[in-house]
Amino acid sequence: DADVTQTPRNRITKTGKRIMLECSQTKGHDRMYWYRQDPGLGLRLIYYSFDVKDINKGEISDGYSVSRQAQAKFSLSLESAIPNQTALYFCATSDPTRPNQPQHFGDGTRLSIL
Amino acid sequence: AQSVTQLGSHVSVSEGALVLLRCNYSSSVPPYLFWYVQYPNQGLQLLLKYTTGATLVKGINGFEAEFKKSETSFHLTKPSAHMSDAAEYFCAVSDQPGGYNKLIFGAGTRLAVHP
Repeated sequence: DADVTQTPRNRITKTGKRIMLECSQTKGHDRMYWYRQDPGLGLRLIYYSFDVKDINKGEISDGYSVSRQAQAKFSLSLESAIPNQTALYFCATSDPTRPNQPQHFGDGTRLSIL
Repeated sequence: AQSVTQLGSHVSVSEGALVLLRCNYSSSVPPYLFWYVQYPNQGLQLLLKYTTGATLVKGINGFEAEFKKSETSFHLTKPSAHMSDAAEYFCAVSDQPGGYNKLIFGAGTRLAVHP
């Protein structure tokens, strides 16, 4: 089983709809992150959470919200989706007791907004 | 603030040829540097990382990178390309020391390997 699981893997929806992307992890890491990937732009940080009670905005948080339901679960919501939010979304985790260790990524959710 | 620049959004090499993917960074604190690879329909997989110590870092699949502070570079190389190396590669920097390990990514370089 994957350590970092994202659901759904693919989603097509319409402008104005509310969308939730989910991420769950079995690594026991406290820190979780949401990124979006756009061609030619690499990955950009949307939100990050260092524990259940600590959530922070990243570089491009406008139009997004998150919920850290438990240590293992971190959801990303688009309250009213718009076409320029079409992208590949990644969840990642890391272990704060090993700050030099890399983040671990899920396989991504490809989101298309029509 | 930190930033990463990857020179060349697309690189094409012949099978067996040298692979060189360029990465330059900007950081006001000692950087921690990473190379990730992304195969189609997959997440990011760590190739190698530089934290402290030896500046020549060896990673998986025969890749290596050298941290050059004077040039603010962390170029990725592989002596002989294989067809299976075709993927997108991302360089990333973190300011981490004991603190928050947020990653700043470059725009990525797509590597094509032809016979």
